[in-house]
Amino acid sequence: QKEVEQNSGPLSVPEGAIASLNCTYSDRGSQSFFWYRQYSGKSPELIMFIYSNGDKEDGRFTAQLNKASQYVSLLIRDSQPSDSATYLCAVWLDGIQGAQKLVFGQGTRLTINP
Amino acid sequence: DGGITQSPKYLFRKEGQNVTLSCEQNLNHDAMYWYRQDPGQGLRLIYYSQIVNDFQKGDIAEGYSVSREKKESFPLTVTSAQKNPTAFYLCASISQVGQPQHFGDGTRLSIL
Repeated sequence: QKEVEQNSGPLSVPEGAIASLNCTYSDRGSQSFFWYRQYSGKSPELIMFIYSNGDKEDGRFTAQLNKASQYVSLLIRDSQPSDSATYLCAVWLDGIQGAQKLVFGQGTRLTINP
Repeated sequence: DGGITQSPKYLFRKEGQNVTLSCEQNLNHDAMYWYRQDPGQGLRLIYYSQIVNDFQKGDIAEGYSVSREKKESFPLTVTSAQKNPTAFYLCASISQVGQPQHFGDGTRLSIL
């Protein structure tokens, strides 16, 4: 089982609709979860982070965390063509010698159709 | 402005050659990371360093080497032992464990 898993897509959503992106993780002890957006040829940029169970909203973005089920999701409301990108889920996991590391999923490619 | 600077933006490697990718940060962050990204893939951890003069291997360290002589700098050398080096390389840093990573703009490495 991969440490962090995402559906690679592509996910196609009509403009103005809600895009829903999902991510599951393997380490029950994980405490910090992030969503990054990456445009083609660019570096990832942080768009949401969540540490507690439940929902966290920021503008059109909502992150949802369910630690019991070990999944985190990202909802994008009123999707715009500029939201077309690859979305990376990242989770802090325990590494060797107690050092923690941030592990990324493979990313979900999202396309918003005008 | 504080941030992470990676150079060069594009790099070409000849057969049997070692090349070094630069990563400098002025965020006063202790921890720094190197990732590799292949087309259509997520980020895979190469090496990371939590403090000066100390670093750990990530998931795909073979064929790579690093040094951390200064807090601000974490260069990555792609050695000739790395047979498939063509990828997008990203450097990142964090203020403390559990916090989000800040990324540089990346270096795209290709084979001549």
